[in-house]
Amino acid sequence: DTGVSQDPRHKITKRGQNVTFRCDPISEHNHLYWYRQTLGQGPEFLTYFQNEAQLEKSRLLSDRFSAERPKGSFSTLEIQRTEQGDSAMYLCASSSTGDQPQHFGDGTRLSIL
Amino acid sequence: AQKITQTQPGMFVQEKEAVTLDCTYDTSDPSYGLFWYKQPSSGEMIFLIYQGSYDQQNATEGRYSLNFQKARKSANLVISASQLGDSAMYFCAMREGYGGTALIFGKGTTLSVSS
Repeated sequence: DTGVSQDPRHKITKRGQNVTFRCDPISEHNHLYWYRQTLGQGPEFLTYFQNEAQLEKSRLLSDRFSAERPKGSFSTLEIQRTEQGDSAMYLCASSSTGDQPQHFGDGTRLSIL
Repeated sequence: AQKITQTQPGMFVQEKEAVTLDCTYDTSDPSYGLFWYKQPSSGEMIFLIYQGSYDQQNATEGRYSLNFQKARKSANLVISASQLGDSAMYFCAMREGYGGTALIFGKGTTLSVSS
């Protein structure tokens, strides 16, 4: 049983560019979550999917952010027109049911030049 | 008000000693879950232990135990017989309600274990 996989591990881009991250959850985990973690802080929730349905979005998810999970398996998180404040670690987590512990991937570290 | 409060920015302990990491929470929902995660310097978030609000007994997982005091709204993590590999950031988190909701994390406590 492989863990949650995220790609890429690191992304460096110029301000104003678009970036897309991918998350492959643990096999057969229907619940998938995205979080953002800045230096010295705990993760902050961004959005939640149950299968392909996006059921919850944080107010942190501005209109420059979009997330999809088209077939209920992997998910993508896109940030358009990146800003300096988007620099953070983006973490993906999955769980088998809504009340089971969430298991996290290693994250994608985004750096905006 | 903060939902999860971890008041210890850093803790220091010697190998083989026990250490308690504090966590208090705030919720009016009768159904909730409490979690502890470990984040080493490499960055991955590792699940350690879970306590449900209706669980009668404190959760234990190997060297980890959760001291759950519902009336005081505290969920402290106890690590017995500390090891050098326990040096990491530790986060307390809460899920409000039952199922499929976001975790709310505290700011974390850095644990340093020395030989």
